[in-house]
Amino acid sequence: DGGITQSPKYLFRKEGQNVTLSCEQNLNHDAMYWYRQDPGQGLRLIYYSQIVNDFQKGDIAEGYSVSREKKESFPLTVTSAQKNPTAFYLCASRAEGLGNTEAFFGQGTRLTVV
Amino acid sequence: AQSVAQPEDQVNVAEGNPLTVKCTYSVSGNPYLFWYVQYPNRGLQFLLKYITGDNLVKGSYGFEAEFNKSQTSFHLKKPSALVSDSALYFCAVRDKRDGGFKTIFGAGTRLFVKA
Repeated sequence: DGGITQSPKYLFRKEGQNVTLSCEQNLNHDAMYWYRQDPGQGLRLIYYSQIVNDFQKGDIAEGYSVSREKKESFPLTVTSAQKNPTAFYLCASRAEGLGNTEAFFGQGTRLTVV
Repeated sequence: AQSVAQPEDQVNVAEGNPLTVKCTYSVSGNPYLFWYVQYPNRGLQFLLKYITGDNLVKGSYGFEAEFNKSQTSFHLKKPSALVSDSALYFCAVRDKRDGGFKTIFGAGTRLFVKA
């Protein structure tokens, strides 16, 4: 059953902690993305990766880091430098090509600072 | 700069009536246009896309959208709404000129269908 899996579904972070959100896909997609969703603001791009061992900053990369060591995996670390990390985080993947392919999304991780 | 506008935060419609969710866009080149739907605490699901060709695009669950180049719009429509259509809808655009890699999403429109 092909798809994209995010874990955990809910995550609680204490002030000053780093936390890592997992994203795994078995769709054989080259491109992977991380978005942050806040109420009324739509989706904002944090990082994206077009190929293994390469990734680019999106619009709101400060306080976040990623790695792309395997094609299937694109974990996101929310560092203590991210001052307002409470949000819904979405991972997506897409078959690379001419840009006309749609994205497949995971079910999301809701991160809350306690 | 690319942008997408969904002018309505919320759309209310009675079950069985037609629905329209509006989207306008701004890109320098020719666009790829997409609609996605999101149910509570879930990821986005793809509904339909416009790439080229026929301006009327048909997608999943009976939805369709019309690409209007002169008005730079891509409104989502359905002839007869269902209560189960109640969800958050996102319009998205990619510019063909930059290889279409970066997708810009609108802020979303919440659709309420009343029984």
